[in-house]
Amino acid sequence: DAGVTQSPTHLIKTRGQQVTLRCSPKSGHDTVSWYQQALGQGPQFIFQYYEEEERQRGNFPDRFSGHQFPNYSSELNVNALLLGDSALYLCASSPGRTYYGYTFGSGTRLTVV
Amino acid sequence: AQKVTQAQTEISVVEKEDVTLDCVYETRDTTYYLFWYKQPPSGELVFLIRRNSFDEQNEISGRYSWNFQKSTSSFNFTITASQVVDSAVYFCALSEAEQAGTALIFGKGTTLSVSS
Repeated sequence: DAGVTQSPTHLIKTRGQQVTLRCSPKSGHDTVSWYQQALGQGPQFIFQYYEEEERQRGNFPDRFSGHQFPNYSSELNVNALLLGDSALYLCASSPGRTYYGYTFGSGTRLTVV
Repeated sequence: AQKVTQAQTEISVVEKEDVTLDCVYETRDTTYYLFWYKQPPSGELVFLIRRNSFDEQNEISGRYSWNFQKSTSSFNFTITASQVVDSAVYFCALSEAEQAGTALIFGKGTTLSVSS
């Protein structure tokens, strides 16, 4: 049973560019959340998607946007990249909106130069 | 405001030692959930435990045990007889539960190094 799959695993982008990160949730999971983890820090919540809608959003600028598809997979888009956007981006999925421990992917390591 | 504090940045122990990772949280809600996650070098966060605010029973799972004390707003994690495979970053997290699936608020993590 595949867990949460994220692609790509690593990415290097230039300041000002745009990037799209992808996430396939664990089988049976319909809720996807995105987190940003800067080096040496804990993950910070970006937003959550459920039923193809953004249900909750953290304290991130509008440059961060997302989408959820009918098959529950999700994309995270970041426009006008800044050096400070360099981080590990983690996707987490859950079966409905439950508390029973989200399943996290291994993340996408984004480096902005 | 919600906050999770893990005061220990790094801990180094020798195999078979017991080690306790501290977690202190702040929340105004009476209903909330606390979590511990392990992050090995591969990057993914591995779920270890969830505890709700109404259940103060301590829990033991193999070499792992958790001590939840509402009076001190702490949710500490103890590894007994540590092993090299326990080396990882450990995160404590909080979720306020007005509705299901709310965001997790993470601490900054504690890096545990277990040497042989």
